[in-house]
Amino acid sequence: DAGVIQSPRHEVTEMGQEVTLRCKPISGHNSLFWYRQTMMRGLELLIYFNNNVPIDDSGMPEDRFSAKMPNASFSTLKIQPSEPRDSAVYFCASSPGLDYNEQFFGPGTRLTVL
Amino acid sequence: QQQVKQSPQSLIVQKGGISIINCAYENTAFDYFPWYQQFPGKGPALLIAIRPDVSEKKEGRFTISFNKSAKQFSLHIMDSQPGDSATYFCAAGQAGTALIFGKGTTLSVSS
Repeated sequence: DAGVIQSPRHEVTEMGQEVTLRCKPISGHNSLFWYRQTMMRGLELLIYFNNNVPIDDSGMPEDRFSAKMPNASFSTLKIQPSEPRDSAVYFCASSPGLDYNEQFFGPGTRLTVL
Repeated sequence: QQQVKQSPQSLIVQKGGISIINCAYENTAFDYFPWYQQFPGKGPALLIAIRPDVSEKKEGRFTISFNKSAKQFSLHIMDSQPGDSATYFCAAGQAGTALIFGKGTTLSVSS
């Protein structure tokens, strides 16, 4: 298996622009997680889905952030409009389910907002 | 109550030494405690995990010690090697919910 696939790997954009991060989970995995990693805050859970349904989005920082999972093999995290403080590495992870299952992380997308 | 507190933030250990990273949690409903290892430029990967029915789990040079009454658990890396230099995250969870991660410990093993 190719593992969790994220694109793009690097994104540089200007403040105010829309940013869309993409994730393809491991086939057969039912749960998908979006994380943000910064030096100051560590690894923060933004939102997670189970069977394509958002379960908890309380970690989404503000209304500028939105996430969708239209099917079992694709998810997006959108930031509109982007701000410099959104600069971070964004990880997507998937797992077979929510019960004591290993989470498999993608390689991350490094976002820089100028 | 959902926090997992991890310490130290950074750690420098000599090659061959023992690295110890500690975590504490509040929620007594947590019953799954994994440790993840992250190398620069990569995503975290599961290293070792423990359930609270045992007080210790060992896999090679890596050992989790678990103290249920104190609500604490720790990772011990024996005979630390330069290749162990990475960021380590503890986490805690329960069935049906997402893991709660600690803020991470950056380990540097000097040769």
